[in-house]
Amino acid sequence: AQTVTQSQPEMSVQEAETVTLSCTYDTSESDYYLFWYKQPPSRQMILVIRQEAYKQQNATENRFSVNFQKAAKSFSLKISDSQLGDAAMYFCAYLPNAGKSTFGDGTTLTVKP
Amino acid sequence: DTAVSQTPKYLVTQMGNDKSIKCEQNLGHDTMYWYKQDSKKFLKIMFSYNNKELIINETVPNRFSPKSPDKAHLNLHINSLELGDSAVYFCASSQGRGRTGELFFGEGSRLTVL
Repeated sequence: AQTVTQSQPEMSVQEAETVTLSCTYDTSESDYYLFWYKQPPSRQMILVIRQEAYKQQNATENRFSVNFQKAAKSFSLKISDSQLGDAAMYFCAYLPNAGKSTFGDGTTLTVKP
Repeated sequence: DTAVSQTPKYLVTQMGNDKSIKCEQNLGHDTMYWYKQDSKKFLKIMFSYNNKELIINETVPNRFSPKSPDKAHLNLHINSLELGDSAVYFCASSQGRGRTGELFFGEGSRLTVL
């Protein structure tokens, strides 16, 4: 069974600084998708960024970027120029080509003013 | 317009009661899901329907019964509610596992069983 591990239950960052959230996963598949979702206190889960495993180039969405290491099965999220609105719980998710999404246990990010 | 909407958003009820949560998506997606998020914020899939057909049924008590009248709706009915059923239930949809497989979530329904 696929597993997704987020080893940092909590992280904090100073406003305007950079923070990296880690995620590792276990799979024997070669074709899959990886996602980071954000869940702010309002509860709504929203997609932050996604990565297709066949793409070597790391995905980037404005201040959010990933470091995808396929061989190491690692998928970390880097948030640059952190803002107060980035405070939330972040979930890493793995989706194989023919299967269901598996979520990590989440990392709670605190942004200090 | 809300893409994935759930009702009710909050539900407080007594043990032993039966309750339903409704979900509708207007994205034209063909797959819908129910997820449960417990008090520790762990997110676990419960069910998935593709074009009204049940495709994922995790180890969930049979007190939980999903129903999909059409591909835009997926409701969750819970019989004989127990204290442990207290959680936030999220509905989600996706366009299969084609281009992105991205999940679009509803706002969640917080169920409290007293």
